[in-house]
Amino acid sequence: DAGVTQSPTHLIKTRGQQVTLRCSPKSGHDTVSWYQQALGQGPQFIFQYYEEEERQRGNFPDRFSGHQFPNYSSELNVNALLLGDSALYLCASSSVGTGVFYPTYEQYFGPGTRLTVT
Amino acid sequence: GQQLNQSPQSMFIQEGEDVSMNCTSSSIFNTWLWYKQEPGEGPVLLIALYKAGELTSNGRLTAQFGITRKDSFLNISASIPSDVGIYFCAGRSNTGNQFYFGTGTSLTVIP
Repeated sequence: DAGVTQSPTHLIKTRGQQVTLRCSPKSGHDTVSWYQQALGQGPQFIFQYYEEEERQRGNFPDRFSGHQFPNYSSELNVNALLLGDSALYLCASSSVGTGVFYPTYEQYFGPGTRLTVT
Repeated sequence: GQQLNQSPQSMFIQEGEDVSMNCTSSSIFNTWLWYKQEPGEGPVLLIALYKAGELTSNGRLTAQFGITRKDSFLNISASIPSDVGIYFCAGRSNTGNQFYFGTGTSLTVIP
C-alpha cells in the first residue's frame, strides 16, 4: 500500500516565478491538505481539498492556490514567488474513519517538497 | 494561524531514560495527533487521540488526551538512539477541518 507521495523532491526557483507541486494521497483517502513548514517551525496549514473543492483555507495569500483531481491527487500552485516562500511543503492525506463511538481522523504526510527561492 | 505551545523545546537525555513532553492550547480540541519528524522527511504519525482522558499506547510511546481538552501529553519509555527527532503535537477542533501544530520538541538521545 503506497503512502502519500510528492513530487518533485527539491526545487529551486527565482523570485517572481511560479511553481506547481504535486501530491498523490494514500490509497483510500479522499482529503488532501497542504502545509508549509519553515525551518525550525511546525507545519502551517495552507488549505484542504475535498471532493475537488477547497474546503478550508489557512492564513495564506491568494498567490497560493490549489486543485484536486477526480482521482484525489492534488496540486499546489504558488505565483509570484517571494524569498519568504522558501520552505518544506508538505502534503497530508486523510479520510474520516468510523470508530466504535466516534469518527476517527488520521492524517498522514508525504516526504515533502523542499522549495528554495533565490 | 494558531500554534500550540509544546514543552520542553528540546531535551538531551541518556539512553534508557524516560521522556515526557506536553502540548497546550487556548482552544478546545476534539482530536489530538502526535508526530515524529526526522531531518529532510515528512512527519510520521505516532498516535491519535479522540476522547478526553483517553490514554493510548504504541509500543514504548504513550499519549494522553487531557481532561480539559486543551492539552495532550506524550511519554516515551526506555529511550533508544533511534528515538532522536522532533516531536510535534497537532490538534483539531470540531468547528473546522484543519490541524494546528505545536512548536515541536527536539529530542536527542545520548548513547
